[in-house]
Amino acid sequence: SQQGEEDPQALSIQEGENATMNCSYKTSINNLQWYRQNSGRGLVHLILIRSNEREKHSGRLRVTLDTSKKSSSLLITASRAADTASYFCATDTNYGGSQGNLIFGKGTKLSVKP
Amino acid sequence: AAGVIQSPRHLIKEKRETATLKCYPIPRHDTVYWYQQGPGQDPQFLISFYEKMQSDKGSIPDRFSAQQFSDYHSELNMSSLELGDSALYFCASSLGGQGARVNYGYTFGSGTRLTVV
Repeated sequence: SQQGEEDPQALSIQEGENATMNCSYKTSINNLQWYRQNSGRGLVHLILIRSNEREKHSGRLRVTLDTSKKSSSLLITASRAADTASYFCATDTNYGGSQGNLIFGKGTKLSVKP
Repeated sequence: AAGVIQSPRHLIKEKRETATLKCYPIPRHDTVYWYQQGPGQDPQFLISFYEKMQSDKGSIPDRFSAQQFSDYHSELNMSSLELGDSALYFCASSLGGQGARVNYGYTFGSGTRLTVV
């Protein structure tokens, strides 16, 4: 079963607006990571939040983690057209004997209109 | 800074042929992970190696095999290719041990785009 579920699946906003993407997961985790992927390109690591952390910032990115609800959110403030990409959450878990492989969500496709 | 290097960047093969993808991890990283991402899909874990031994296995078909060599680079060998194998194949590396991985995460390569025709 899918570990990470993201919503919305697609998000279209105007430049300058904030974009919020959510991720839910099912098992206990070591950490949760957010990645960005431009169409057909590589995965770019954005931010990692450990299971004992609740919030983390990196530039225009803000990530929250609620382990009681098994959910995370990624906020991109003051979005730019260059932020247009797919955003994936991924969990690092020892569940089921996993040795650290990441389980990805389905991703949110963000479109920022100039 | 050196990143994870994957080769080739693009590969076109015919059905039933074989393909070998290569991954060179970041220096001093001793753990390698392989992922497959089909069109419009999220990346799916295939297999991982730590210190040249297989450490975890995901949804890797029996037609695929992989290994990690003494210099820590890894190769993914794919035989009897099928149309459905067309995908982006990513390699990621990390420092071994849960402590390092939990705190510092992974670095992904740019991927190999395999097209089976």
